[in-house]
Amino acid sequence: KAGVTQTPRYLIKTRGQQVTLSCSPISGHRSVSWYQQTPGQGLQFLFEYFSETQRNKGNFPGRFSGRQFSNSRSEMNVSTLELGDSALYLCASRLGQMFTEAFFGQGTRLTVV
Amino acid sequence: TQLLKQSPQFLSIQEGENLTVYCNSSSVFSSLQWYRQEPGEGPVLLVTVVTGGEVKKLKRLTFQFGDARKDSSLHITAAQTGDTGLYLCAGADQETSGSRLTFGEGTQLTVNP
Repeated sequence: KAGVTQTPRYLIKTRGQQVTLSCSPISGHRSVSWYQQTPGQGLQFLFEYFSETQRNKGNFPGRFSGRQFSNSRSEMNVSTLELGDSALYLCASRLGQMFTEAFFGQGTRLTVV
Repeated sequence: TQLLKQSPQFLSIQEGENLTVYCNSSSVFSSLQWYRQEPGEGPVLLVTVVTGGEVKKLKRLTFQFGDARKDSSLHITAAQTGDTGLYLCAGADQETSGSRLTFGEGTQLTVNP
């Protein structure tokens, strides 16, 4: 069965712009989490969505937002991009909230110039 | 704030050698997962340990969860060049039903031929 699909794989944006990243979870999985990975901070939790509702949120500014659709696909949006937002953004799929195992997509590499 | 400390941060060994990576915390986790990540790709789940004292084997890899569910180790026997990668441990938060994973900083393993 297909894994977690993230699009696009690579993005280059200019400071001040906004960006939308997409994640399609494994078929049948209803929980989607987003993480930011940078060399200095490692993997940091952004937020989780389940049944179209944000269930948990990490310590990121309000410029980072997301949503989940009825088919469990999720998008995350970053507005007013800053150079420090350059990172690998990873999406993780879980079967449901009571299931711990998380399966990651290949990520979207965002570069802000 | 839950923290996971991984050691060592970097490890360079010859093919055929054994190694152990440690993951320690002062917090209790409901479960702990180990991932391996290749450059530019998302982390790939290797194993999930749930019960204190649990030992799981995956071919040449042995994973152990501490009795108090605060620490874990990954032991690789007779390392191969294909084991090269970034190894990450991640603890699942009991309070959030595992939706928020706390990651260690990672251990960059290089196995030389």
